Amino acid sequence: ETGVTQSPTHLIKTRGQQVTLRCSSQSGHNTVSWYQQALGQGPQFIFQYYREEENGRGNFPPRFSGLQFPNYSSELNVNALELDDSALYLCASTIAGGVMAQYFGPGTRLLVL
Amino acid sequence: DQQVKQNSPSLSVQEGRISILNCDYTNSMFDYFLWYKKYPAEGPTFLISISSIKDKNEDGRFTVFLNKSAKHLSLHIVPSQPGDSAVYFCAASATSGTYKYIFGTGTRLKVLA
Repeated sequence: ETGVTQSPTHLIKTRGQQVTLRCSSQSGHNTVSWYQQALGQGPQFIFQYYREEENGRGNFPPRFSGLQFPNYSSELNVNALELDDSALYLCASTIAGGVMAQYFGPGTRLLVL
Repeated sequence: DQQVKQNSPSLSVQEGRISILNCDYTNSMFDYFLWYKKYPAEGPTFLISISSIKDKNEDGRFTVFLNKSAKHLSLHIVPSQPGDSAVYFCAASATSGTYKYIFGTGTRLKVLA
């Protein structure tokens, strides 16, 4: 039990639609990262937020965007969904400057048809 | 360009024996390494980590070894238990900058009773 929750657990969308995924971090964790895990692959870093500002981004296009809120919750938004966006989306939280281990939520499985 | 590689997609070990999972990396800027365990329908769970200033870190049945000259790390589980059956990911990070992890593709460990 990591104290990190995500919603929804599963989601089906069609190509071209938009989706918002949500994450609630552990209290006090001021850094949240989002990862995409395709089938048979390891998680790939999408971006990270620290104190509500984007603080690093992986090789994902601008249609992937995020928000972090003062109450330790965050969102991942994906516009103009493509079939290849079908994956497990994981959020992970940590305390900047502390132990570097990130604590992952259970993920949201997104299927784009 | 896969900066973190886990070349064995699967491993089977008898209960009570040692499990050795391997990981190689290419980026010499990485200075912090972690192992995560993942069960189906759950997010990755942090197991153990090691800083590049060390060559070994132990936590109970789990030991991680780091060989910086070979850019290689390994996770030893002794003794292996059926509950250890899961997918294991190694991850690497450069501590300067964001807490961005680069993950390997995972090794599925099966511990046979």
